[in-house]
Amino acid sequence: GESVGLHLPTLSVQEGDNSIINCAYSNSASDYFIWYKQESGKGPQFIIDIRSNMDKRQGQRVTVLLNKTVKHLSLQIAATQPGDSAVYFCAVTYSSASKIIFGSGTRLSIRP
Amino acid sequence: DGGITQSPKYLFRKEGQNVTLSCEQNLNHDAMYWYRQDPGQGLRLIYYSQIVNDFQKGDIAEGYSVSREKKESFPLTVTSAQKNPTAFYLCASMGYGRGPGSNQPQHFGDGTRLSIL
Repeated sequence: GESVGLHLPTLSVQEGDNSIINCAYSNSASDYFIWYKQESGKGPQFIIDIRSNMDKRQGQRVTVLLNKTVKHLSLQIAATQPGDSAVYFCAVTYSSASKIIFGSGTRLSIRP
Repeated sequence: DGGITQSPKYLFRKEGQNVTLSCEQNLNHDAMYWYRQDPGQGLRLIYYSQIVNDFQKGDIAEGYSVSREKKESFPLTVTSAQKNPTAFYLCASMGYGRGPGSNQPQHFGDGTRLSIL
């Protein structure tokens, strides 16, 4: 079946450094990709999305990169701040699909 | 403010009891979803509904039931048949675009934490 996996369950980054969170997916028909941030005790919050006709998309301090050849996407957070501490999920789906497949999440912690 | 409201925030279930978790959205979204999240894990789909009066089982539907009588509301009942109900339950909604490449992200509520007494 379809699967979405994250390369690291935890990531520790120095405050001010850049963070990179990775995600791999299995379904080559996937064409829509989303990153969510989940803080403790709250629901996932939408960060950024990208469609398969793009390789890169930038938001405020975040960049998502998509490599369809190896079925891999990453989330880059620039100048990581304490408020970025959370669990980050990637989610993958395809056109006309009624369901989204979520990865298991990477917990990002920030060292002062 | 547009969004998704889940209630209650915390819920306790006694042995043999059914409990119902509420989910309301004012985003005018057609689709609604229920997920279960266990500590340190991702989201597992329980049930989803793409239109009023219709819903489908997700990956872990056993021991749960839902209804979709109104577009805004998608309550989840955790029945006594669910032997391990302790978890964080998340409700989400999603609007549909038109045509290829029109997927939209799901929007989530802030969850209900269910525990056993």
